[in-house]
Amino acid sequence: GENVEQHPSTLSVQEGDSAVIKCTYSDSASNYFPWYKQELGKGPQLIIDIRSNVGEKKDQRIAVTLNKTAKHFSLHITETQPEDSAVYFCAAGSGGGADGLTFGKGTHLIIQP
Amino acid sequence: GAVVSQHPSWVICKSGTSVKIECRSLDFQATTMFWYRQFPKQSLMLMATSNEGSKATYEQGVEKDKFLINHASLTLSTLTVTSAHPEDSSFYICSAADSTSGANVLTFGAGSRLTVL
Repeated sequence: GENVEQHPSTLSVQEGDSAVIKCTYSDSASNYFPWYKQELGKGPQLIIDIRSNVGEKKDQRIAVTLNKTAKHFSLHITETQPEDSAVYFCAAGSGGGADGLTFGKGTHLIIQP
Repeated sequence: GAVVSQHPSWVICKSGTSVKIECRSLDFQATTMFWYRQFPKQSLMLMATSNEGSKATYEQGVEKDKFLINHASLTLSTLTVTSAHPEDSSFYICSAADSTSGANVLTFGAGSRLTVL
């Protein structure tokens, strides 16, 4: 089955700086890679996703890059703000959508004021 | 966008009682819903896949008789923790994807925190 590794487990950055979270996956058949943000006591919320037919996707301060050859994908947050503090999960799956997603272990992002 | 409602958001029960958690897709139909368990500071652990009109598919190590799942309609799945014990205390989260939408993106509920005394 799929195995998703996520690093780092904790990331502390100064407000205004950029944050990068990296994930690797094992199954070359995976073609859908979403990122979720989870605030304390709440369910995860999708913030951005990418499918295997593109290498990069951007939405305002958030971007995701995908390297299919190396089987890794990354989340980039620029101009970080205090409200970006949360746990971020990457996931990988095949079937082009929600079915059979495997999640990474999460990254606790801390934005220092 | 798609909204998944989960109820209750928190529940405290006595050991030995059963607790039911509901997961509803509010503005879309979901033939499949997913149930997860999350321990503090840990990732989401998939417990089972709930299929409308048929039996749920449980992940290895998850007791079917302990965690009863019913998906009676295209907008509602329920998870019943039977004869709950303190070790069942956890954060339970459901998710669903709009099966009629081409995107097939997963939307999560807000979670239900279960505390068993």
